[in-house]
Amino acid sequence: LAKTTQPISMDSYEGQEVNITCSHNNIATNDYITWYQQFPSQGPRFIIQGYKTKVTNEVASLFIPADRKSSTLSLPRVSLSDTAVYYCLVGEGDYKLSFGAGTTVTVRA
Amino acid sequence: SQTIHQWPATLVQPVGSPLSLECTVEGTSNPNLYWYRQAAGRGLQLLFYSVGIGQISSEVPQNLSASRPQDRQFILSSKKLLLSDSGFYLCAWGDLYQETQYFGPGTRLLVL
Repeated sequence: LAKTTQPISMDSYEGQEVNITCSHNNIATNDYITWYQQFPSQGPRFIIQGYKTKVTNEVASLFIPADRKSSTLSLPRVSLSDTAVYYCLVGEGDYKLSFGAGTTVTVRA
Repeated sequence: SQTIHQWPATLVQPVGSPLSLECTVEGTSNPNLYWYRQAAGRGLQLLFYSVGIGQISSEVPQNLSASRPQDRQFILSSKKLLLSDSGFYLCAWGDLYQETQYFGPGTRLLVL
């Protein structure tokens, strides 16, 4: 499985856009990039997944450059309820995903 | 729609006691099933995964075991708990077509 590197923590304020960049230099041709969100005492929740270019859903956008060695999760206009840990995962299918420490995003009023 | 259940939600057990955590999935057939453990402030550690009934793969050597007696049932067990078994245990099922995993609510285990 490709190893990922993401910042340990990020601080933001309500209404701002939060961008979390994940590095995955050894991504394989068949690997997808998936982001999860985890609140305290809950299981991770799928946010978004992409293979290349840009993907957008009602929660976030995912930007993937042509070389696919990194990806950026963009959370528009965050609120206090977006305070959570965000995980970047790279792999083929759902099989044996490897969760790192993630990025703790703290949104302040 | 698919639903994943875990119980109990919290559990306090003495050292040396046995453990049985159960996970069931509804609304899907032949899912991949996973057990994870999360220590406080840490990422998720994959413990076991299963691609079918009776098929269990262990990711790390430990005091725990897993079984899959039915297609949508996954059980995590221990004969004798250790203090180091404390943590947040999460069950997940995988959807090959959507290429992602869906997690249950988790069980918080405290071994004293």
